[in-house]
Amino acid sequence: GEDVEQSLFLSVREGDSSVINCTYTDSSSTYLYWYKQEPGAGLQLLTYIFSNMDMKQDQRLTVLLNKKDKHLSLRIADTQTGDSAIYFCAESPNTGGFKTIFGAGTRLFVKA
Amino acid sequence: SQTIHQWPATLVQPVGSPLSLECTVEGTSNPNLYWYRQAAGRGLQLLFYSVGIGQISSEVPQNLSASRPQDRQFILSSKKLLLSDSGFYLCAGKFEGTEQFFGPGTRLTVL
Repeated sequence: GEDVEQSLFLSVREGDSSVINCTYTDSSSTYLYWYKQEPGAGLQLLTYIFSNMDMKQDQRLTVLLNKKDKHLSLRIADTQTGDSAIYFCAESPNTGGFKTIFGAGTRLFVKA
Repeated sequence: SQTIHQWPATLVQPVGSPLSLECTVEGTSNPNLYWYRQAAGRGLQLLFYSVGIGQISSEVPQNLSASRPQDRQFILSSKKLLLSDSGFYLCAGKFEGTEQFFGPGTRLTVL
């Protein structure tokens, strides 16, 4: 079935790089997403990558996709305290066009 | 632009009372709409989705129901709340693209 897995916690020091990892199971997924959720708020789309891409960079964010291993990562350069949040990995399987499958979220703690 | 509105932002209800959470959307017409629940410290559980007026698909059997009386209105309801219904409820919409846009959420506490 469709499943997205992420580690639950990550702690980094301010100024360091953060790498959040995700694995997914549906090889037919066309788009893969990273969402950010700040405390008490809804999810905000950070970035997404199309399945025929290996990498996408957007300012401090770099997304890497290894389609063979079904592994997606989000790298945040120069992590700031404002980056502390929950980060959700998600995929849109081709088999179910209406749905997006979300991981459980990785809680990022940034220490000053 | 696409905007999802939800209200109320927080709600405290006694066990056995009814529930009505409302979601309205701005953006292109005929969006796919979704209700998710997020339990404390956990990921998103898809509860319902709708591809059009009056069309509701339920993902998990439970104490809740959903309705879509208008294209841009999605309502989550319950006749009698349970303690286990507590959580953070998120409404989302998918418009012309593939990504979902989320509302600010409603935190429901059932006592």
